[in-house]
This record gives sequence, structure tokens and C-alpha cells, in this order.
Amino acid sequence: GESVGLHLPTLSVQEGDNSIINCAYSNSASDYFIWYKQESGKGPQFIIDIRSNMDKRQGQRVTVLLNKTVKHLSLQIAATQPGDSAVYFCAEMSGYALNFGKGTSLLVTP
Amino acid sequence: SAVISQKPSRDICQRGTSLTIQCQVDSQVTMMFWYRQQPGQSLTLIATANQGSEATYESGFVIDKFPISRPNLTFSTLTVSNMSPEDSSIYLCSVRSGAQGTQYFGPGTRLLVL
Repeated sequence: GESVGLHLPTLSVQEGDNSIINCAYSNSASDYFIWYKQESGKGPQFIIDIRSNMDKRQGQRVTVLLNKTVKHLSLQIAATQPGDSAVYFCAEMSGYALNFGKGTSLLVTP
Repeated sequence: SAVISQKPSRDICQRGTSLTIQCQVDSQVTMMFWYRQQPGQSLTLIATANQGSEATYESGFVIDKFPISRPNLTFSTLTVSNMSPEDSSIYLCSVRSGAQGTQYFGPGTRLLVL
């Protein structure tokens, strides 16, 4: 897993714009990746996942891109809405354990 | 997806006491986990709760401090023992379910130790 700090990176976007949240992972053996959204006072909510045999997967307004060469994962949110404001975590699985990244705070401004 | 509930949702406790957190799932699941999320930080796995056997703890977590029960495939408890202010965190129950083995989380228990 990654080390964590006291302050989350913050991404501020205007309503209607597209958001891109990035995540780097370190374990080249990881074969499954998940993005979670965590709103204030709630538990993490599953958004989308991708396996290592894919490089792109689309959901409703969200796309996950996986670049195994540079061990990079991104979450793209189209037409960002105020309800998308939350902390977003990437998580990678190798073996049985799911390891979380630091998280990015997304703030959507009107 | 699995629906997970936790009790209590929050608590304020005195140092030296213990708190038991309950996790209930709406379906039978093989894999159940407990995570800790310290204020403003990411999630850290405490242990895997195994049905019918002792929990498997991650590095830095021990059974004496965080005893876990898993009496059946829908229920687990995590006890935070002999609490100190450093134990103030969100404690999250998580399960893996479905054909894809997607991992879902409960709403969390917010613990403040004074």
C-alpha cells in the first residue's frame, strides 16, 4: 500500500466540466483495481472496477483507465455535478487484501 | 450489492474502556473485513474475519487489542479494547460478494476516545 499523509490532495472543478482523478500504485502483481467515492459521514461507495487484462472501462458518466506500464490508474467523471463532491479513493488488490491509496478530495463549484 | 449495517454509528468513550462494534450483512458472505480510517486519512485493513476460526490480523494489529468474532456468514463484531485517544477513528466493516468479488463497505462507526 501507499503511505498516507494528513492532507488530501484537492481537485476543484466547475460544475459541468470533466474531472480526472489520478492514482499511482506500486505493486506490479496487482490484478484488480477499484475506485470508491466517500461522502462526508459515510462509508466508501463502489463506483467502478477494472481488471488488469483491460485498459479502459466505462460506466455511467465515469471511465477508468489503467496503464500497467507506468502503474497508473485514473478516474474520469464527465459533466461533473455538485453531488460528485466527495473524497475518491483508488484501491488495488493483490492476493486477498485490498490496499487503498491516499484519496483525492473533489470539490465541485457552481 | 451487499447491504451492510453497523452498530453503533458513533460513540464517545472514556480511555481504558472497550467498545464492541457490530456488523450485519443482508446475505451470506465468505469474506468479511474490518478497516480503520483515521481522521483525514485513507483506509487501513485491521483483519480478515474468518467464520469458524480465528481472525487473520495485519501487521501492526493484534488480537488482544482488536478481538474479532465471526459466528456465522452474516455477522461479525470488532472490539476496540483498553481504548486511548489514538484509537479515535472510523471503523468500517467490509464484505466481498457477488460473482465478481466486489468489495463493499458499511457506513462506519465513528469513535471518539476522550
